[in-house]
Amino acid sequence: EAQVTQNPRYLITVTGKKLTVTCSQNMNHEYMSWYRQDPGLGLRQIYYSMNVEVTDKGDVPEGYKVSRKEKRNFPLILESPSPNQTSLYFCASTPTGTGRYEQYFGPGTRLTVT
Amino acid sequence: SQKIEQNSEALNIQEGKTATLTCNYTNYSPAYLQWYRQDPGRGPVFLLLIRENEKEKRKERLKVTFDTTLKQSLFHITASQPADSATYLCALAVNTGFQKLVFGTGTRLLVSP
Repeated sequence: EAQVTQNPRYLITVTGKKLTVTCSQNMNHEYMSWYRQDPGLGLRQIYYSMNVEVTDKGDVPEGYKVSRKEKRNFPLILESPSPNQTSLYFCASTPTGTGRYEQYFGPGTRLTVT
Repeated sequence: SQKIEQNSEALNIQEGKTATLTCNYTNYSPAYLQWYRQDPGRGPVFLLLIRENEKEKRKERLKVTFDTTLKQSLFHITASQPADSATYLCALAVNTGFQKLVFGTGTRLLVSP
């Protein structure tokens, strides 16, 4: 089944404790992206990647890091989480070069930082 | 400033009626616009894409219009069903093609039997 998976789905952590949210897609998509969703603010792009080893900042990159060492994986790293990073996070992937621009979203990771 | 506006209040309609959701934007020149459906606690699911040179797109009971002069897109669901109840998001592709998608905050649709 074509899908985007994220792990963990739920995470409660404390301020300053480094964490990684994994994202993997099995559709051979070049483009991947991370979003956070907050009430009243909608989905905001954190980082995106056009392909392996190519990443760039989105609208709200502060406090986050990403890497793209393999085409299928795009982990989101919070080096020192803070309470304002409590949010619902989505990973998404998109095929490129086909004229199809729809984004395929993962199931989401609900992160709480205390 | 750049803004995408969707009605933040829920839209309540009766089963069988046509639901019309609005997406307005300012200070953007989108190459295309997309609509997504999001159910509680789940990731958005792509529904339709309409390009800047297209006026209307249809898919089954869904219809999207795109007026770049008015800077508005309308999303219609005909013969609505309770299963259509969800939050609907519009997203604009701006600046440098598809990799920059800017989302509205969504409108919640409630279809009652």
